[in-house]
Amino acid sequence: SAVISQKPSRDICQRGTSLTIQCQVDSQVTMMFWYRQQPGQSLTLIATANQGSEATYESGFVIDKFPISRPNLTFSTLTVSNMSPEDSSIYLCSVEALQEGYGYTFGSGTRLTVV
Amino acid sequence: GENVEQHPSTLSVQEGDSAVIKCTYSDSASNYFPWYKQELGKRPQLIIDIRSNVGEKKDQRIAVTLNKTAKHFSLHITETQPEDSAVYFCAASIDGTASKLTFGTGTRLQVTL
Repeated sequence: SAVISQKPSRDICQRGTSLTIQCQVDSQVTMMFWYRQQPGQSLTLIATANQGSEATYESGFVIDKFPISRPNLTFSTLTVSNMSPEDSSIYLCSVEALQEGYGYTFGSGTRLTVV
Repeated sequence: GENVEQHPSTLSVQEGDSAVIKCTYSDSASNYFPWYKQELGKRPQLIIDIRSNVGEKKDQRIAVTLNKTAKHFSLHITETQPEDSAVYFCAASIDGTASKLTFGTGTRLQVTL
């Protein structure tokens, strides 16, 4: 299955600032997905990152708050902008593995704390 | 869009007993159903998945069943061990379209000695 390197693994940020999270995949993938997991909760899809076009955002998430870049088929970034304590969460990227039966693979996650 | 419900939210079993977690989905077009295990502080890990062309799949102590007519699927863990303690998430998607996963709310499984 695909191997995803995600960084940073954690960060503590001041409110009002921005943090950019990076995901690098060891193989080319069509779509990359960004999820948020609030403490003790399930995973919620933020957006789907497409190479060569604008990301597709889910209801409740907007590009101004969570801008995404997808410059090539192996890399994507998610920025959490103008942060507030409510943005404290784990952010994970995910890809659909190319091989049959491998499903979706997740990065190791970024634990963000906004103070 | 797709909606996935998962029950129970918490489950406590004694070591050696079986555990069953159930999920229902709303979109009849969904045809790929993975299960993830998430240990504390770790990423979700795929443990088993099933596609709509089969009704059951097994991998050692883990099995998943799917009832497309009723739109529900279940995870079965037999001979539970303490290392099975984790949060389990079911999910659904339309496979083959690089479609997004919709996750259930999670089940915290505690295996006691």
